[in-house]
Amino acid sequence: AQSVTQLGSHVSVSEGALVLLRCNYSSSVPPYLFWYVQYPNQGLQLLLKYTSAATLVKGINGFEAEFKKSETSFHLTKPSAHMSDAAEYFCAVSDDSSNTGKLIFGQGTTLQVKP
Amino acid sequence: GAGVSQSPSNKVTEKGKDVELRCDPISGHTALYWYRQRLGQGLEFLIYFQGNSAPDKSGLPSDRFSAERTGESVSTLTIQRTQQEDSAVYLCASSFVGGPNYEQYFGPGTRLTVT
Repeated sequence: AQSVTQLGSHVSVSEGALVLLRCNYSSSVPPYLFWYVQYPNQGLQLLLKYTSAATLVKGINGFEAEFKKSETSFHLTKPSAHMSDAAEYFCAVSDDSSNTGKLIFGQGTTLQVKP
Repeated sequence: GAGVSQSPSNKVTEKGKDVELRCDPISGHTALYWYRQRLGQGLEFLIYFQGNSAPDKSGLPSDRFSAERTGESVSTLTIQRTQQEDSAVYLCASSFVGGPNYEQYFGPGTRLTVT
């Protein structure tokens, strides 16, 4: 069965520092992978997705993620954190047992940005 | 244009009561998903609708949970005889069609508290 593991439920960085949020997946077939962001009291917003084209995926708000098949990883990075990046981030994989697009999510990582 | 809307935004109910949660998808979106987000956890898939096809109910946790959708319009998620473990945020998402290539747009969720 597919699964997603996000390492670190809380990550704290200083404003201007590198953001690195870790995600590992398990899948028996090439996966579709996603990163979503959830701001307080809001729904999820898609940051970026990997669909087997380029392994380095650029998303909104300066975020990017690199698909590494050998490491089964899809870590999210941003060179310089802004205060507005403080939110919860979810990594997800599309369930490959059906073609519905239903998503399997990781547990989430809360990003704190300190001034 | 209008995004996915959900109502109510908050619902407090007593254990054993039935509740109905509503989702209005983006107009023209044929696919609709329900997910549940328990405190401190990632989202769990509940049910998927695609047009007039039979829904994928594989994520419903018990027979107390049911959902309906008429055509490509509003969906309601019903929880009968609510239990305290049903307390969670229930999120609805819609996409143009089902499948991993189409972005899911999430509503703000309904926070359900069972006392």
